Amino acid sequence: KAGVTQTPRYLIKTRGQQVTLSCSPISGHRSVSWYQQTPGQGLQFLFEYFSETQRNKGNFPGRFSGRQFSNSRSEMNVSTLELGDSALYLCASSERQAGGEQYFGPGTRLTVT
Amino acid sequence: GENVEQHPSTLSVQEGDSAVIKCTYSDSASNYFPWYKQELGKRPQLIIDIRSNVGEKKDQRIAVTLNKTAKHFSLHITETQPEDSAVYFCAAFINAGNMLTFGGGTRLMVKP
Repeated sequence: KAGVTQTPRYLIKTRGQQVTLSCSPISGHRSVSWYQQTPGQGLQFLFEYFSETQRNKGNFPGRFSGRQFSNSRSEMNVSTLELGDSALYLCASSERQAGGEQYFGPGTRLTVT
Repeated sequence: GENVEQHPSTLSVQEGDSAVIKCTYSDSASNYFPWYKQELGKRPQLIIDIRSNVGEKKDQRIAVTLNKTAKHFSLHITETQPEDSAVYFCAAFINAGNMLTFGGGTRLMVKP
C-alpha cells in the first residue's frame, strides 16, 4: 500500500495570509490526525478526524481548522498566519478509531515571513 | 490532560553499547504507548509499541517495558549501530481523549 502523502511539501507565506494543507491517508485508513512540530514545542496534537467528524482538538486557537472528506483525505487550514505558525505540519493515518498505530506522512514545512 | 515526560533529552553511546530512554505519563487511563524514530529531515516512523495489558515487548534489538503502577515505560536498544542515530519520541494514548501525547524527544547519537 502507498504510504501517507502530504501536499505541498514546502510552503512560504507572509503574515496575515491563510494556508491549506492536504493529507491523503493510507488506503483503508479512516482516521487522520494532525500535529505541529517545532524545535521548541516538539510534537503537538492539533486535531483528529474519523469518518468526516472531528473527534478531538488540541490546545490551538480557532485559526487552526480542518476537515475530512468522504474518501478520508483531510485538509487543515490556518488563517491569519503568524510568525509563530512556522513549523513542520505532520499528518498521521490510522486504521482504528482509537488507540491504533499511527503512520506519519512526510510533512509540510510552512515558513511564515 | 495527559502529560508525558521523556529523559534524557540527549544520549551519546559507543557503537555496540545499549541505550535506554525513559518516559513517564500522568494519566492512569492511558492504554497505548508507541515509540517513534525520526531521522533528520524525515517523518517519524513507528518502531515499536506496547499496550497496557502487556509488560514487555521485543523486536530484535529493540524492546519496550511498561510499568503501569509507576506510570513509566522505557525503550531499550541493544548492540547500537550508527544507523540508530536519530531522535526518538515516546507517546501515550488515552481513549477518553482520543489523542496521542508525545514526549519531548531524545536525540540518540551512536559513535562508531
